[in-house]
Amino acid sequence: EIVLTQSPATLSVSPGERATLSCRAGQSLGTNLAWYQKKPGQAPRLLIYGASTRATGIPARFSGSGSGTEFTLSISSLQSEDCAVYYCQQNNTWPLTFGGGTMVEIK
Amino acid sequence: QVQLVQSGAEVAKPGASVKITCKASGYTFTSYSIHWVRQAPGQGLEWMGMIDASGGGSTYAQRFQGRVTMTRDRSTSTVYMDLRSLRSEDTAVYYCTRVGIVGAKSAFFDFWGQGTLVIVSS
Repeated sequence: EIVLTQSPATLSVSPGERATLSCRAGQSLGTNLAWYQKKPGQAPRLLIYGASTRATGIPARFSGSGSGTEFTLSISSLQSEDCAVYYCQQNNTWPLTFGGGTMVEIK
Repeated sequence: QVQLVQSGAEVAKPGASVKITCKASGYTFTSYSIHWVRQAPGQGLEWMGMIDASGGGSTYAQRFQGRVTMTRDRSTSTVYMDLRSLRSEDTAVYYCTRVGIVGAKSAFFDFWGQGTLVIVSS
């Protein structure tokens, strides 16, 4: 099973500042990695797939990068509505796995 | 528009079973696999398994093997997830979700159901 390690566990960012989240894989994924936003009481929302492709309707302030074992999700100018837990997910190898999540909060 | 609508909350006793439904609409049901993901209180997302909506074949995470069965009814565009021998650790919100690529068994997930809370308690 591929382990995805997300860091940091919690990220405090001032409004308008940049947030950078990391996801490290235990083995190479190519670009078979997605990012989701999860708010309490809501279903996860797809943000990024293929490591860097924004999903439909996702604001341009969200961007993904990386390949192999190191991936990054960036939020260029944090808005209050971006407070959530963010998860990475790999679909390169069975079983599919999720990272442990990074909570993003407003400083 | 694509929608996945799940059945309502369930309370079950330890050792019992629960069956959650996920009704799909707004797309060609047999073109996309459906997966199930759960989230226990205070925990992260956990992948449980998938079903090929076309052929009906399924793949389960090893930790659920023998306890979970996923089936589908093409006539009603509905997927079912049956979890047996429930224990308190199965208390969670269960989500059905669609893969984002036509014909793919494994991919990212673009549409999600609203979630079904299952509480396992004596």
